[in-house]
Parts: sequence; C-alpha cells; structure tokens
Amino acid sequence: GQSLEQPSEVTAVEGAIVQINCTYQTSGFYGLSWYQQHDGGAPTFLSYNALDGLEETGRFSSFLSRSDSYGYLLLQELQMKDSASYFCAVGSYNTDKLIFGTGTRLQVFP
Amino acid sequence: EAEVAQSPRYKITEKSQAVAFWCDPISGHATLYWYRQILGQGPELLVQFQDESVVDDSQLPKDRFSAERLKGVDSTLKIQPAELGDSAMYLCASSSRSSGEAFFGQGTRLTVV
Repeated sequence: GQSLEQPSEVTAVEGAIVQINCTYQTSGFYGLSWYQQHDGGAPTFLSYNALDGLEETGRFSSFLSRSDSYGYLLLQELQMKDSASYFCAVGSYNTDKLIFGTGTRLQVFP
Repeated sequence: EAEVAQSPRYKITEKSQAVAFWCDPISGHATLYWYRQILGQGPELLVQFQDESVVDDSQLPKDRFSAERLKGVDSTLKIQPAELGDSAMYLCASSSRSSGEAFFGQGTRLTVV
C-alpha cells in the first residue's frame, strides 16, 4: 500500500521562506507531486518530480530524493495568498494511481 | 481554458436515500479519478478509470457506492443508501499522462441529514 507523512501545520510571516516535508512509502513509485488547496476550493497542481533533485517554478521549488523516499516543497517570498493547504501525492507506475497525503496547512501572517 | 465539470455543486440528502454525482473530464483525458475529502484531511481515492475500465476501486465501499464511465468520457458516482458518514466533498479529477498532474473539478459538497 501507500502512505505519506506531512506536518499538519506550518506558520510563517510574509516575505519568509518555508519548507514543507513529505516522506512516503509506496510500491511502483514514479513521481512526487505537490498540490495547493485554498479553503472551499479544489486542489490545483503546483509541481512534479520524477527524478532526484530540485525543480523550480517561480517562487515555488520542489525537491525529491528517491533513495530517501523524501521530498519537500519550498515556498519563497511568502505572500498572504499562499495561506492554504498543501498536499504531496505519489504516483505509481502502470496504473497512474495518485495517492494524496494528509496535507499541511500553511498560515502566513503579516 | 478546459476544465473538469462537476454537478451538482451542493447536495443535501436524507440518510437512506440515493444520490448521484456527475463528472465531465477534460476532453482527451483517459484517466479519471473520484476522490472523497473530509474537512481537514487529504483527498482519498475512491475509484480510478482508464478510459471505460476501472483500474482501482480498492477503497470504494462497494456495498453502497458504484461508479461508471460507460463511454470512457463522463462518469457518474452513486451512493445508495446514503449514510451520515458519507457527508464530505466529492472531487473528480482527470489526467492525460503519467505526469503526476491531475486537474480537479470544483467538487460536490454532500451533506447527509
């Protein structure tokens, strides 16, 4: 089966940098994704890592270490609008099965 | 911009009644997912289709839940009979390839009273 662990909550101030970690256990792993979800909204895709290393997309970066079954999402220059829940998700080979973690609630303060 | 369409947005039903949700994925997306999300938790995969075939329904409570995607396009998720514990957000998502990127609809908020 699959399991993912994330911190339940993170707080930070505007302009700061925050890192949200994710550890996973899964069979047939092919990649780690990150999604953002504002209260009352649907999850939206942020980034995807299939290979080890860092992927950068604007203020957001995502890292993967396949050997450690670990990844993180790095948010820089935090803005109030970044207050949301962030989910890591693992995908499996051959089935495209996408399993989500329990989510990390980020609160950004002025 | 292409979107995943879901209806209804909100549904209130009495326990023991039947309820159905509809999803129209982005055109050309072969993979369709149904998730259930309880407030404060992550989306839980209920069923996954590849075209018209079920790929995974291991977490679908099959005694009361059913899902179909007859022509490999839109899909329906049904609950019969509904129970109080089924109150949740039901999300549909679709994807076109093994990229970890799925596009979600706005969901159906179900309240069972």
